[in-house]
Amino acid sequence: EAGVAQSPRYKIIEKRQSVAFWCNPISGHATLYWYQQILGQGPKLLIQFQNNGVVDDSQLPKDRFSAERLKGVDSTLKIQPAKLEDSAVYLCASSLVGGASTDTQYFGPGTRLTVL
Amino acid sequence: GDSVTQMEGPVTLSEEAFLTINCTYTATGYPSLFWYVQYPGEGLQLLLKATKADDKGSNKGFEATYRKETTSFHLEKGSVQVSDSAVYFCALTLSGGSYIPTFGRGTSLIVHP
Repeated sequence: EAGVAQSPRYKIIEKRQSVAFWCNPISGHATLYWYQQILGQGPKLLIQFQNNGVVDDSQLPKDRFSAERLKGVDSTLKIQPAKLEDSAVYLCASSLVGGASTDTQYFGPGTRLTVL
Repeated sequence: GDSVTQMEGPVTLSEEAFLTINCTYTATGYPSLFWYVQYPGEGLQLLLKATKADDKGSNKGFEATYRKETTSFHLEKGSVQVSDSAVYFCALTLSGGSYIPTFGRGTSLIVHP
């Protein structure tokens, strides 16, 4: 079974530029998550989708971050404009159902963003 | 709020040494507890979990026991291997919520031959 795919793996941009990350979850997984992992910290949830609807985006800085999951499969996370403090690894995860203690999240390898 | 505290890393051990990585938590209600592992260049993987007090989670030689009285979930392994070198994250979820994990900062483990 293929895992969660993310691209690109690495991205270097200058502040005030825009960037987009792509995620392809495991086939059949209804729930998709985007996390931000700053160096030396644990992952922090940015947004959770159930199919193509948003379940939780309370931690997403909406003035600069946006995300969509068209057709309930692939997802794109965008930052516009980027700030220095956005330098982090952006992790995508998916799970079969979501919202249950028995549900396991499967993580992709992440995209490492460096903002100069 | 809910939080997880892990011991600072890196933890450096020789192969076949005993491993303990400490994890304590603060939570309202009754959390489920998890250990995730992140190998170099890869995403996080669920290593083990425990959903109620006194439960023991185990996988690949790793164990952790849910201790409600000390609010702890320490990770242990009797004999580490070089291939165990990774970053280990302790996490919790709360029942009745969205089951989004709250993660600790992670503890880097380096095992030398």
